[in-house]
Amino acid sequence: AQSVTQLDSHVSVSEGTPVLLRCNYSSSYSPSLFWYVQHPNKGLQLLLKYTSAATLVKGINGFEAEFKKSETSFHLTKPSAHMSDAAEYFCVVSDLKAAGGTSYGKLTFGQGTILTVHP
Amino acid sequence: DTGVSQNPRHKITKRGQNVTFRCDPISEHNRLYWYRQTLGQGPEFLTYFQNEAQLEKSRLLSDRFSAERPKGSFSTLEIQRTEQGDSAMYLCAAGRTGVYGYTFGSGTRLTVV
Repeated sequence: AQSVTQLDSHVSVSEGTPVLLRCNYSSSYSPSLFWYVQHPNKGLQLLLKYTSAATLVKGINGFEAEFKKSETSFHLTKPSAHMSDAAEYFCVVSDLKAAGGTSYGKLTFGQGTILTVHP
Repeated sequence: DTGVSQNPRHKITKRGQNVTFRCDPISEHNRLYWYRQTLGQGPEFLTYFQNEAQLEKSRLLSDRFSAERPKGSFSTLEIQRTEQGDSAMYLCAAGRTGVYGYTFGSGTRLTVV
């Protein structure tokens, strides 16, 4: 079984300040982890992905995330927030292997974190 | 263009009516998923196709829901006897075996009145 907990439902920052969106995961197998962003009335866009290579993953628009197995965390960060970063962010886990050894790649989403950026 | 097209974008229907949504991925996408997203929630998995075979169905997919992918290309999701609780955004995602992550379509927003 796999699950994701996003620790904050809302995060508010000022433009130009750092962003931290927190995510903890639970997985029975070696997980793949993703962050997706959803702007209002837009589709889901992949920000970055971790697939058992480097633990520090760089994504689009200056975002990055660090996989910490000992803490079962995959927090999303950005050094300096921009107004255009305002959106909802989803942390997502995907087991490489489901029960029986078949890889379906099903995604399990967290509840989402709404990021507000103030001028 | 995300590579995954969904139609229609919006659908308003009366309770009890049947509705059908369509998802068209690009030809390289042998994997196809349907998800449902209700207001204030993350998307929830509904079903998965590998080529034309439906390999996994969520418990969320009641008997009123059926999905097909007859030739391993486009897919349809049908909801029979719609209920107000079916109101949600229905998302299609597609990808290729061996490639992590998927491309999501823009979704079909269903409103049952």
